[in-house]
Amino acid sequence: DVKVTQSSRYLVKRTGEKVFLECVQDMDHENMFWYRQDPGLGLRLIYFSYDVKMKEKGDIPEGYSVSREKKERFSLILESASTNQTSMYLCASINRAGGETQYFGPGTRLLVL
Amino acid sequence: KQEVTQIPAALSVPEGENLVLNCSFTDSAIYNLQWFRQDPGKGLTSLLLIQSSQREQTSGRLNASLDKSSGRSTLYIAASQPGDSATYLCAVYQAGTALIFGKGTTLSVSS
Repeated sequence: DVKVTQSSRYLVKRTGEKVFLECVQDMDHENMFWYRQDPGLGLRLIYFSYDVKMKEKGDIPEGYSVSREKKERFSLILESASTNQTSMYLCASINRAGGETQYFGPGTRLLVL
Repeated sequence: KQEVTQIPAALSVPEGENLVLNCSFTDSAIYNLQWFRQDPGKGLTSLLLIQSSQREQTSGRLNASLDKSSGRSTLYIAASQPGDSATYLCAVYQAGTALIFGKGTTLSVSS
């Protein structure tokens, strides 16, 4: 019954490190999303992708990049991790028409020291 | 720019009570609206999806309504149980973008 998986549940990294967060979905969805969730701020969209090799900036793309080389996989990259990127990161996917529900992964809790 | 607001931010009720969670949005040009549940430290689980042409959806003890013209949705939970304790998030979907979320209502049901 696995639908959206994320590579790590918990991650601890040091300031300046390059961090890769992987997301894989098995529903053949075209659209995939990366959000971060912080207390008091809710879920904020970082990047999304509507097709392989396509990407769009969300509300808070600074300090992040993404990669979508295969339809089922969407990666979030922190080029040089900073302490203000400590957060819960959530990946999601939905079919192109958007008529179905959006499925979320279990989340990755990232701590940058 | 679409904004989604959820009231109240937190709610505590005794077991057995019926309750209503509120969600409002500023732009009525939505494709659909979804209600999610999130347990502490976990991802989001979809509860109900209402298409823009629909007025309500029901699943078990949950009923969600949508009034697109007034920019409002409600989630009704009947006969609440301690297991319903979680954060409930409302989100709207507009074509070509992503889900836009409210900040959620944290529900606590005491036995």
